[in-house]
Amino acid sequence: QSVLTQPPSVSAAPGQKVTISCSGSSSNIGKNYVSWYRQFPGTAPKLLIYDNNKRPSGIPDRLSGSKSGTSATLGITGLQTGDEADYYCGTWDSSLSAYVFGSGTKVTVL
Amino acid sequence: QVQLQESGPGLVKTSQTLSLTCTVSGGSISGGSYCWNWVRQPAGKGLEWIGRIYTTGSSNYNPSLKSRVSISIDTSKNQFSLNLSSVTAADTAVYYCARVRYSYDSSGYSNWFDPWGQGTLVTVSS
Repeated sequence: QSVLTQPPSVSAAPGQKVTISCSGSSSNIGKNYVSWYRQFPGTAPKLLIYDNNKRPSGIPDRLSGSKSGTSATLGITGLQTGDEADYYCGTWDSSLSAYVFGSGTKVTVL
Repeated sequence: QVQLQESGPGLVKTSQTLSLTCTVSGGSISGGSYCWNWVRQPAGKGLEWIGRIYTTGSSNYNPSLKSRVSISIDTSKNQFSLNLSSVTAADTAVYYCARVRYSYDSSGYSNWFDPWGQGTLVTVSS
């Protein structure tokens, strides 16, 4: 049972937008910065968003992050077949003194 | 750019100790505001943080694994290592090492994982 809750799957047609929610609590998302990762099958996760809404170099602005209270959201606009992957949120949990990842969301392009 | 590579046995017997090493190349393990982490992922499941070590030698571990985990660092070799004792089949997973950039300000702790190693599959079997 993950500390951070994500929907198991989301889907949309090419060119459309999807949002992935990450729900936590006052000891994790409510208190610390959130990052997002994408993982293709058989490969390592890759950083997409850090500090709630910042993109590393090379990540397109089709991807965006936001945080409000104890929840965070990853948005992907202009959906492409290459966006099909698993997506994870993560943050530090100050009560557990541990880094926690979300349960993961599979994005499907219809 | 910095790259990480895991190495170690792919098969460990039940009740024994799993030992992995992560070699850092393209940069010094001692530079900057970074800590060095281990994450694992059982087949078909999500990511689980195992623990981290700073270049000072200070470490933190996942409470669920704390009694069995030890992470060490060798700055002279640009490597850090994971030991997980008394393993069972539940410890079978792909194990990743990763660099984490950390900071703290009025908005809280910032920890982001980049880059990651390619991962190594460790199977626990009798």
